[in-house]
Amino acid sequence: DAEITQSPRHKITETGRQVTLACHQTWNHNNMFWYRQDLGHGLRLIHYSYGVQDTNKGEVSDGYSVSRSNTEDLPLTLESAASSQTSVYFCASSESSGNTIYFGEGSWLTVV
Amino acid sequence: SQKIEQNSEALNIQEGKTATLTCNYTNYSPAYLQWYRQDPGRGPVFLLLIRENEKEKRKERLKVTFDTTLKQSLFHITASQPADSATYLCALDIGYGNKLVFGAGTILRVKS
Repeated sequence: DAEITQSPRHKITETGRQVTLACHQTWNHNNMFWYRQDLGHGLRLIHYSYGVQDTNKGEVSDGYSVSRSNTEDLPLTLESAASSQTSVYFCASSESSGNTIYFGEGSWLTVV
Repeated sequence: SQKIEQNSEALNIQEGKTATLTCNYTNYSPAYLQWYRQDPGRGPVFLLLIRENEKEKRKERLKVTFDTTLKQSLFHITASQPADSATYLCALDIGYGNKLVFGAGTILRVKS
């Protein structure tokens, strides 16, 4: 079955370190998204991509970057991790607008 | 400012009853509205999508209504079961490519 996978599922890192969260989907979806989820805020969009070489900033993009070199992957990089970036990160993908969005199982990141 | 509000309090109901969850929004004109279920420690799972020109959508025990005049969606689970206990997220699709804006979610607890 096609799926969307995230890694690592759990990570503890130190302030100032660079961290990359991986996201891989096997549906061949053009649209991919990264969200963070914090208590009281719900899911907030960090970055998104509509295809290879396309990346766009979302609502809370400061301190994060993404790259899309192929259809299957959208890695999320925290350039210099901050304690405010402690959160649960969800990757998602969809075929096109108006279609089901599929979420990964999440990556729990703690910045100490 | 743009806002999406869901029942802030947890909803506790008895098994067999109908659960009704509310999603209100301001200053958005969504093309679609979606509902997701999220279990603890898991990613959101798509349930239903309703378009701006649809008043009601049903899927098994689930029913969603969408009133663009009131800027409100209601999500109903009939004949609720303890297995329906989860957090339910409302999301607005605000433009091209499935860019979703999420509410903070409502916790539903169904007691047997």
